[in-house]
Amino acid sequence: EAQVTQNPRYLITVTGKKLTVTCSQNMNHEYMSWYRQDPGLGLRQIYYSMNVEVTDKGDVPEGYKVSRKEKRNFPLILESPSPNQTSLYFCASRDRGRYEQYFGPGTRLTVT
Amino acid sequence: TQLLEQSPQFLSIQEGENLTVYCNSSSVFSSLQWYRQEPGEGPVLLVTVVTGGEVKKLKRLTFQFGDARKDSSLHITAAQTGDTGLYLCAVRSGGNQFYFGTGTSLTVIP
Repeated sequence: EAQVTQNPRYLITVTGKKLTVTCSQNMNHEYMSWYRQDPGLGLRQIYYSMNVEVTDKGDVPEGYKVSRKEKRNFPLILESPSPNQTSLYFCASRDRGRYEQYFGPGTRLTVT
Repeated sequence: TQLLEQSPQFLSIQEGENLTVYCNSSSVFSSLQWYRQEPGEGPVLLVTVVTGGEVKKLKRLTFQFGDARKDSSLHITAAQTGDTGLYLCAVRSGGNQFYFGTGTSLTVIP
C-alpha cells in the first residue's frame, strides 16, 4: 500500500530535550515536505526537499532541522524544542511534476 | 497575513442541504488544489484546477477556479454525513513551496 508513515504519532517532551520525528514514504517520490498545523493558522510549510541531500526552507523553518540522506526518509529534528513548537506536524511527499501531495497521519507534539 | 483566505471558517448544516465554501486571494496562481482532512488524519487531495474559469465535478462536489485565477469555490450538493471534515485550499508558489488556507470546518448533521 502506498503510504507516508510518521513516528511517533504522539509525543510529550520538555523544553530543550532534542527530538526527532521520522517520516518515510514508499512511493519513490522525489519531493518531501514537513508542515505544522495550528488553529487559525492552517498548514504551514517548515522545510522541503527536492531530492537526496537537497533541502530548502519553507515558510516557518526557525527552530527546525531536516536531513535527506535517503530518498524514502525525511526526518524532522528539533534540537532544542520550545513550547511554541507545540503543534500537529505532517510529513508529505509528491512525485516530480505532480501537484498532489500525499500526507502522513500526523504527529501531535506537546512541549512543556 | 494569510495568502489564502477561506470562508466560512465553520459551517454546520443538515444532511441534504447544499453549501458553498470559498478560497480567496489577491494573488494570481497557475493552479489551486482542494484537500479534505478528517480528524486524526492527514489531508487528502480532492481536485486540482489549473485553468481560469475551469469547473470540475467529483460526484456531488463541484469545484470552480475563478476567471482571474485568484479564487476558487467548492459547492456540495445534498450534503451527507460523510462530507464532514476540514476543507483546505492550497497553492504552489515559487517552485516547491506550498501555501494552505486556514480551512473550512464542515459538520453535516444527520
